[in-house]
This record gives sequence, structure tokens and C-alpha cells, in this order.
Amino acid sequence: QLQLQESGPGLVKPSETLSLTCTVSGGSIITRAYYWGWIRQPPGKELQWIGSIYYSGSTYYNPSLKSRVTISVDTSNNHFSLKLTSVTAADTAVYYCARHFLTGYADYWGQGTLVTVSS
Amino acid sequence: QSALTQPPSASGSPGQSVTISCTGTSSDVGGYNYVSWYQQHPGKAPKVMIYEVSKRPSGVPDRFSGSKSGNTASLTVSGLQAEDEADYYCNSYAGSNNFVFGTGTKVTVL
Repeated sequence: QLQLQESGPGLVKPSETLSLTCTVSGGSIITRAYYWGWIRQPPGKELQWIGSIYYSGSTYYNPSLKSRVTISVDTSNNHFSLKLTSVTAADTAVYYCARHFLTGYADYWGQGTLVTVSS
Repeated sequence: QSALTQPPSASGSPGQSVTISCTGTSSDVGGYNYVSWYQQHPGKAPKVMIYEVSKRPSGVPDRFSGSKSGNTASLTVSGLQAEDEADYYCNSYAGSNNFVFGTGTKVTVL
């Protein structure tokens, strides 16, 4: 059974960089059919797609976040990562990683990790 | 890209049906048959209930169905059960490998 697990600091200071890793177990990240994405949800608000990566390293970002986001993949260790620079309180959210098809159909999700931006 | 528009809330009694709309534009919902629907219980990760407008993943009850007309997609839950009480989000492909979620609908089982 495929499992995804987010990890990283739960508290980040304003103007610093948020860094999270999603470790994939029970299956390989090198799978042609799938993309690996990051989605976030501010407290009490809707889901927002941040961006996705293919195992080859091709990346796709939400235009509204593109200038601050970098997603990378480490196929040797079967994980992919998110970096979000110059964070503000508006970036406080539960961050999820997920596996999805090109159509957006996300069939496996991590449990989510809360990241709070505060000094 | 703007979030897709969903009604904030919907409700029904056990056994009844509820339909949730998801309105976008010709650049997302109307332009592709790539709408998916997610159920989210409090404190939990989303779970896909419908993908590619009307397809049901294995294990999802056939009480859940999806459709689309023009720029609006819909999710119908028939035979409402207590466990269907949750937040529901639509998601659509928006071209150029971009995706957009809906504003979310809280479904209450009366």
C-alpha cells in the first residue's frame, strides 16, 4: 500500500524559507503515470494547489506562487521536496503531498503537516 | 487563476439527495473533462470520490455521482448517510499543467 509522509519544521519565521519533504513508501516515485504534488490548506479555508513534479524533474507551479516555489525530486531516496521562500503569515497552512495523474486525480495523500509562520 | 465557485453549504436528511455545484470558466471546468471531487472530514486529508467528471474510484459507493454541463460541474450524493457529512471540494485541470480547487461546500446531514 502506497504511503506518503510529510516532514519538516512546524514553525517558520516571517521572511524565511519553508522546507518540507514528502517521503514515499510502498511504491516507487519513478512511475510514468504519476505526478507528485503539494497542496496546502490555510486554517478554515479551501485547498490550494502549489505545484507538482514528474519523476524526470519536470515541474509545474501555481502561477500565483511560482516566483517563490521550488519543488525537487530525489529518486534515489524516493522523496520529493518543497521550498517556499519569503514566507508571511498568509503561508500558514496544513501542507499536503499527494500522488496524482496528469488529469489532477489525486489518489494518495499524506496526512498533512501544519506549518505556522510566526516570529 | 481564481478558485472555482461552490455553494458554502448544502444539507439533506438521511436517505435524501444533495447536489453540489462547481462553477468555473471555459479555461478550466468547461475546457476539459478533468474535474475531480474530494471529501474531507475534519482534521483529515482529502479523499477522492469522483475523477474525470463522472468516474468513481474503486471502493467509493455508487451513491456518489458526478456530471458536467458547460462551465459547471456537479456532485450528487444520493441516499445520504451520516458519514457523508463533510466538506467537499471540486478540482479542475486549468491547462498548462495547472490545477484549481473549488471554494468548498460543507454538507450537513440533518
